[in-house]
Amino acid sequence: DAGVIQSPRHEVTEMGQEVTLRCKPISGHNSLFWYRQTMMRGLELLIYFNNNVPIDDSGMPEDRFSAKMPNASFSTLKIQPSEPRDSAVYFCASSGGGTYNSPLHFGNGTRLTVT
Amino acid sequence: GDSVTQMEGPVTLSEEAFLTINCTYTATGYPSLFWYVQYPGEGLQLLLKATKADDKGSNKGFEATYRKETTSFHLEKGSVQVSDSAVYFCALSNAGNNRKLIWGLGTSLAVNP
Repeated sequence: DAGVIQSPRHEVTEMGQEVTLRCKPISGHNSLFWYRQTMMRGLELLIYFNNNVPIDDSGMPEDRFSAKMPNASFSTLKIQPSEPRDSAVYFCASSGGGTYNSPLHFGNGTRLTVT
Repeated sequence: GDSVTQMEGPVTLSEEAFLTINCTYTATGYPSLFWYVQYPGEGLQLLLKATKADDKGSNKGFEATYRKETTSFHLEKGSVQVSDSAVYFCALSNAGNNRKLIWGLGTSLAVNP
């Protein structure tokens, strides 16, 4: 089991540039979550998908953020244009089981720095 | 709405000391409760869970008991090791929250040899 795979591990970009973060969930898992982690705000759920369909995107901070899941094995989180306040660690997590008490499996995150 | 409160860190202990990290929650109905652990540079991973009152979750020497009467899910370990140094998150999941986990802010634990 390869676990949840995120790329890149680190991304440094300049303000105004487009950033794309990638995630491959665990095979067979039907739910995928994007989280953001900062010291100030802790863990924030940005969006989650069930069976490739976005279910709740109320945590997406603004229109600069978008997420897609074109198939069961791949998802992207895009920030366009990026701003310094977007600097954070972004985690992707997946879950099988389909119930609210199914645990999440996290990737190792992408550390984004926007200068 | 539902919420989770866990004790602030950092917590610093010597190896073989007893660990307690407090977690209390507010929720309607019958939530499931989780402890996740985050080692430096890694994502969170499930440590243990309990899905109903009086259940005890356990893993790697850690334990937590789901106490509905005190709305608590305190994490304990009888003898910590240096390798337990990490950030620990308490979380709640409820049928009414549509798969969203409600997270505590995390408690950083440092264990010294």
